[in-house]
Amino acid sequence: EPEVTQTPSHQVTQMGQEVILRCVPISNHLYFYWYRQILGQKVEFLVSFYNNEISEKSEIFDDQFSVERPDGSNFTLKIRSTKLEDSAMYFCAGGQPLADEQYFGPGTRLTVT
Amino acid sequence: AQSVTQLDSHVSVSEGTPVLLRCNYSSSYSPSLFWYVQHPNKGLQLLLKYTSAATLVKGINGFEAEFKKSETSFHLTKPSAHMSDAAEYFCVVIDPGTYKYIFGTGTRLKVLA
Repeated sequence: EPEVTQTPSHQVTQMGQEVILRCVPISNHLYFYWYRQILGQKVEFLVSFYNNEISEKSEIFDDQFSVERPDGSNFTLKIRSTKLEDSAMYFCAGGQPLADEQYFGPGTRLTVT
Repeated sequence: AQSVTQLDSHVSVSEGTPVLLRCNYSSSYSPSLFWYVQHPNKGLQLLLKYTSAATLVKGINGFEAEFKKSETSFHLTKPSAHMSDAAEYFCVVIDPGTYKYIFGTGTRLKVLA
């Protein structure tokens, strides 16, 4: 059964460094999402992406964040200059047009020190 | 605005006894509701979904949920808990305009031998 993969599973970085979180969605999905979960808090929507552009973003998704689908298979989330408060689990998800269900990856745990 | 409230952050049951995980929703539309499960170090897996068909929804692994409009509830149940059910469970409502997911705070289920 196809599944969403995310790399790395755990990333430790220093404050101010750039990080790129990678996701490989299921091949026939066209909608892509990033969510994050700060330890002890609820899962929060960050951004949705369709047809090579952002379709919706939350207040959290400021200029430090960017997403792209560079090669038609990977879907990446870049944080330009990490802050301590960016420490969280980041989930990638994908879905098909006109379908409610999203398929999630296992997450990347980002630790900013 | 759509929202979900999970009433219990932790639930403990003995193996073989019933499970009840509570979720209340708030929605100005007829909602699409989901339950997801997250086992340690795994991604979010869909258990079941309600999309305005039958009010009693059956999911995987013996779980089911009943949509009750009068009570604005979508509680998750299972007749007999198994050790492998120990995990975190998330109630989710979908934003109908953007298709983004809005998560509850999660309920951690512990199953005692």
